[in-house]
Formats: sequence, C-alpha cells, structure tokens
Amino acid sequence: QKEVEQDPGPLSVPEGAIVSLNCTYSNSAFQYFMWYRQYSRKGPELLMYTYSSGNKEDGRFTAQVDKSSKYISLFIRDSQPSDSATYLCAMKEPGSNYQLIWGAGTKLIIKP
Amino acid sequence: NAGVTQTPKFQVLKTGQSMTLQCAQDMNHEYMSWYRQDPGMGLRLIHYSVGAGITDQGEVPNGYNVSRSTTEDFPLRLLSAAPSQTSVYFCAIADLSTDTQYFGPGTRLTVL
Repeated sequence: QKEVEQDPGPLSVPEGAIVSLNCTYSNSAFQYFMWYRQYSRKGPELLMYTYSSGNKEDGRFTAQVDKSSKYISLFIRDSQPSDSATYLCAMKEPGSNYQLIWGAGTKLIIKP
Repeated sequence: NAGVTQTPKFQVLKTGQSMTLQCAQDMNHEYMSWYRQDPGMGLRLIHYSVGAGITDQGEVPNGYNVSRSTTEDFPLRLLSAAPSQTSVYFCAIADLSTDTQYFGPGTRLTVL
C-alpha cells in the first residue's frame, strides 16, 4: 500500500460545478499538506499549503485537512475550463526538510 | 516555472548510452532536487542537494549520478541508459522561507 493514495481519474465535470479532490494517507506523522497543480507538459506549481488540521481558503480554492481520518481535500468552486489540469497532493513530516511524499495525481477535466 | 531551466526538453537515447540532463536556477536557493514522473506513480525523488558540494540519494537513485559544484547548477547523469529510465524528469528548487518547491519545465526522455 502506498503512503499516499489519490484517485487518478480522470474526473470530468461541467463548467461552474464544485469539484472535490481527495487524498488519503497512512503516516500519522505528516503535518504539512500541499496541493500542486500541473498543466499538461508543464512542471507542478504550488496551489495550496496547509499546516496540521483545518481549512484554508484562497479565492475559489479551499484546502481541508482531517488528521483524524488521515484525509485531505481540495475544493474548487465555480470551476473553469482553465482549471483543467492534474492535481497532486503532497505531504511531509516535521523536520524532513523537503522530502515530500506525493500522491499520483488526479486528472481533472472541466467541460465548457 | 520561472527561475528553473532544464535542457534538453526532449531526448531519445539507445540502451547503454550516457547523457546529462541540465538544471539551472537563478533564484539562489540552496535546495535542489531531481524527480522522475511516471504514469500512475506520481513524483519520485532521485537525488537532492542542500547546497554546493552536498548531495544525497532519494527514493530511486540507482542508475543516476549527480554533482553540485555551484549553487546554480545541478546536473543529472545517466551512466548507461536503460528502457526503465524512460520518463519525464523534473528539477526542483525549494524556497526555505515559504516552504515552496518550484519546478522546471521537465525533460522527456525515451530510452529505446
């Protein structure tokens, strides 16, 4: 079993829909949680960063961490075709420098 | 992908050939790393460096060598290419102050 599990999709939704992307993990020591967005044939870019539990909102994006369930989510409101990309979750333990553990990524398609 | 450049963008090798993937940054960050990305596998860390003269192995180091003689450059060498090394390779740097990794545009390598 992988340390971080993420459904590869593709997830296809109509424009304007609310999107929910999720990752589960097994290591209870993870404290830092990130979502990266990767457009086709590009490198990943950081979208959201959360420490420990709770929610964080940035515009149309909300990151949620539930440490009791070892489950993180990324919500996208009013989804746009430009949100079509692969979304990767990543996480790390305190003191691990930059040793991120990555999910495999979920491909998201927003249909106009 | 501003600040991190990778060359070449594409490369085709025959089994047994050697080559060097180049990575350069202009952001003066100490931490640099190399990942490979394969379908369904997410990003896997090959080697990383926390500063000039210091390198260490990641999750999948076999078949790859690195060196870090300057802050700016972090080349990845394939000594004897194998078909299993067909992948997309990303170089990344990390900003200590924001805990953010910045990725280069990637090199698509095919080994025949």
